[in-house]
Amino acid sequence: QVQLVQSGAEVKRPGASVKVSCKASGYTFVGYGIGWVRQVPGQGFEWMGWVNTFSGDPHFEGMFQGRVTVNTDTSTRTVDMELRSLTVDDTAIYYCARFDGTGSYLDYWGQGTLATVSS
Amino acid sequence: AIRVTQSPSSLSVSPGDRVTITCRASQDIRSYLAWYQQKSGKAPELLVYAASTLQSGVPSRFSGSGSSTDFTLTISRLQSEDFATYYCQQYYNYPRTFGQGTKLEIK
Repeated sequence: QVQLVQSGAEVKRPGASVKVSCKASGYTFVGYGIGWVRQVPGQGFEWMGWVNTFSGDPHFEGMFQGRVTVNTDTSTRTVDMELRSLTVDDTAIYYCARFDGTGSYLDYWGQGTLATVSS
Repeated sequence: AIRVTQSPSSLSVSPGDRVTITCRASQDIRSYLAWYQQKSGKAPELLVYAASTLQSGVPSRFSGSGSSTDFTLTISRLQSEDFATYYCQQYYNYPRTFGQGTKLEIK
């Protein structure tokens, strides 16, 4: 069965970086893109961007460009998303999710990774 | 970015009730709309895509309808496991945008 398993919760200081790992199983990894969405606890969702797992090319929204690095490892079926220069406003649950086969909607989600930024 | 407005933000309902949640897009998105269910402390789960197609394994009491700018998610007879927060999301273009959510609470 399709599964996305994310790394554990993190606590970081302002100005630091956080890396969230997303390990996929149960399907052909390079056939589906991976999206990244974050959610402030108790609030709605914010789209961050996505990565083409075949080419490794990332496509992140403007507010994250320059602050995000994504690494795709097809041998371990893992996508790592690193967010730099953290502020308290980056405190959120970070989700990876698989795109459906047409690259449209998100059909399977990881369990989420809480990143807390606090001084 | 396309704005997606969901209503109501919360609903107090009883098991067995029929529930309708509305989602409105700020421009024509054809049928590029998905609905997700999120239970407390859990990741979202896909319920409906292409506005009206039920994801495999989703109970038939859930249904989606609409196109262009106006969409609805209906739960025909609410069951106890349906108490959760529901979100719509447009995938017509980037950035993908979500509604603010509708929380179903037990009356």
